[in-house]
Amino acid sequence: SQQGEEDPQALSIQEGENATMNCSYKTSINNLQWYRQNSGRGLVHLILIRSNEREKHSGRLRVTLDTSKKSSSLLITASRAADTASYFCATAQDKIIFGKGTRLHILP
Amino acid sequence: DAGVIQSPRHEVTEMGQEVTLRCKPISGHNSLFWYRQTMMRGLELLIYFNNNVPIDDSGMPEDRFSAKMPNASFSTLKIQPSEPRDSAVYFCASSLAAGINSPLHFGNGTRLTVT
Repeated sequence: SQQGEEDPQALSIQEGENATMNCSYKTSINNLQWYRQNSGRGLVHLILIRSNEREKHSGRLRVTLDTSKKSSSLLITASRAADTASYFCATAQDKIIFGKGTRLHILP
Repeated sequence: DAGVIQSPRHEVTEMGQEVTLRCKPISGHNSLFWYRQTMMRGLELLIYFNNNVPIDDSGMPEDRFSAKMPNASFSTLKIQPSEPRDSAVYFCASSLAAGINSPLHFGNGTRLTVT
């Protein structure tokens, strides 16, 4: 299946710590995208990384992509309470398919 | 920009009734997607359109589901007849460019409950 699979399913960390979420997939891709979803809301796009890129940064977010291992990671540095949300990776080949997400909880 | 607008936000209906979900994509966006989200199955792609034309409807679960995009600013997802297992949050998303290389912009979804 093309679908990405996030790991861990749930993560609780103290405010100020870094949070790392991983995504593995099974087929070749054109790009991989990360999204955030707050409770009761739609998904919000965070970062798109193309298959020929290895790393990308956006503010406190850092995404890596290893196509040889078919995996990606999302790092959120210096976490804040507002980062509490579910995070999804989406793999794009002929269509965009989402994994089941990681629920991140930032403890005050 | 107002973003992707979905209506209604909540829909409660009885089994067997027809349900119509509506979506207004962001102006100027060329692709529109319908997803369904449940705890068990996560986010499932139902169908997507490029320039108002359905490209892939392989995710539409049954003939009870149909989607249309009569123009660039409006799409509907219809379920007829509805069943309790259709209960889910249905999301519409649009993207600027046709295809898969543009980020998706999601609406806030329609929470459907079929009793």
